[in-house]
Formats: sequence, C-alpha cells, structure tokens
Amino acid sequence: GAGVSQSPRYKVAKRGQDVALRCDPISGHVSLFWYQQALGQGPEFLTYFQNEAQLDKSGLPSDRFFAERPEGSVSTLKIQRTQQEDSAVYLCASSPKGAGGSDTQYFGPGTRLTVL
Amino acid sequence: SQQGEEDPQALSIQEGENATMNCSYKTSINNLQWYRQNSGRGLVHLILIRSNEREKHSGRLRVTLDTSKKSSSLLITASRAADTASYFCAINNDMRFGAGTRLTVKP
Repeated sequence: GAGVSQSPRYKVAKRGQDVALRCDPISGHVSLFWYQQALGQGPEFLTYFQNEAQLDKSGLPSDRFFAERPEGSVSTLKIQRTQQEDSAVYLCASSPKGAGGSDTQYFGPGTRLTVL
Repeated sequence: SQQGEEDPQALSIQEGENATMNCSYKTSINNLQWYRQNSGRGLVHLILIRSNEREKHSGRLRVTLDTSKKSSSLLITASRAADTASYFCAINNDMRFGAGTRLTVKP
C-alpha cells in the first residue's frame, strides 16, 4: 500500500507569507507526528495527534505555527507570517497505534521550505 | 519525554568494515528504536529492541541494549556505500531524536 505522502515536496515563500503543508498518513494509522529538521540536525518534534485530537503541541516554536487533523486522517501544518528561521524540512510520520504503544513510525519524504 | 543521544557525531569507514554507533539515554525505557535517514529523505525504521531484550539482529544490523548502562549500540557489519546515511535512536514512543550519527562509507 501507499506510504506517508507529503505535499508540496518543495516550497519557496517570501518572508511574511503564510504556508500550508499537507501530510497524508497511511490509511488507518492512529498517530501522526510533525517534525522540523534544520540542515545537519536531527528532527525536532513539533506536535502529535491521536486521531483528530492534538495531544501534544509542546514543540511548536511559536504561535505562528498551527496544525490540524480535523477528520483524523490528513493533517495540515500551517505557518503564518513565515520568517527566514522557518526554513527547514518538515517531516510527517504516522504509526498504527496511539501513544504509549511500542510502535514503528513511518515517515514521509518531507517538505523542504525555503523562506527568502 | 526524553531523547537519546547518539555518538559519535560522525563516522567515516571503508566499504567492508564494520560500523558501530551508540545511543545513550537517562531514564528507564520500554523500548528503543533505530532509524536511518538518507540525504534528503525521510527516516526509515530499522529495528526496535524492547527493554527485556539484550540483542537483536536484522540482516547486517545488530543492536544491543544495556539497561544498566542506559545505552544501546547499532552495529552494521560488512558496510556498503549505500549505508551512508545519518542514524538516529528514539526512546519509547516519544520520538524525540538526537543529532544523530553521520556515517560515511567510502567505496
């Protein structure tokens, strides 16, 4: 079956623009994670959903970042008034079970955001 | 939540040699997972080891876990150029990552 997909794969935005990044998890997966990865660094956790519930958003760097998963499947990460420091690869991952399970995470290819 | 810390930060070896990288953590765990990331790609799950396991194999990969030392190691035997990637560990299901070990395998 299809894996986790993300769109767009590449996004160039001018400073101050709003962007929306989409994640299509594997069908039926309960958990969904968003990460931000700067060049040469490990992925930094942003937020976590269990179905449609956002259980952890402690990693969102500012109130300009907003994520939703309204129907418990597709998720969107929105960044308002983008800044140059938002330039990074944004990774999405899903897993079959909810939090606390010993679960394999399946990652998408990421969206590379460049803010000029 | 907690995260594992990988070391070394970078490792360069010749094709055919073995590569060992380590992950240390600070509190008790239920399981530990290793992931690989090729340049420009998402992470790929390699192996999961539970707290009651000491060693696990998957092909050319061997993972050990020492809960008394709060550390795990990933051994890649007979390395290939295609093993060139960054390797990360994740603790339990928290999915907080360290900076990873950047492995370069020279042909």
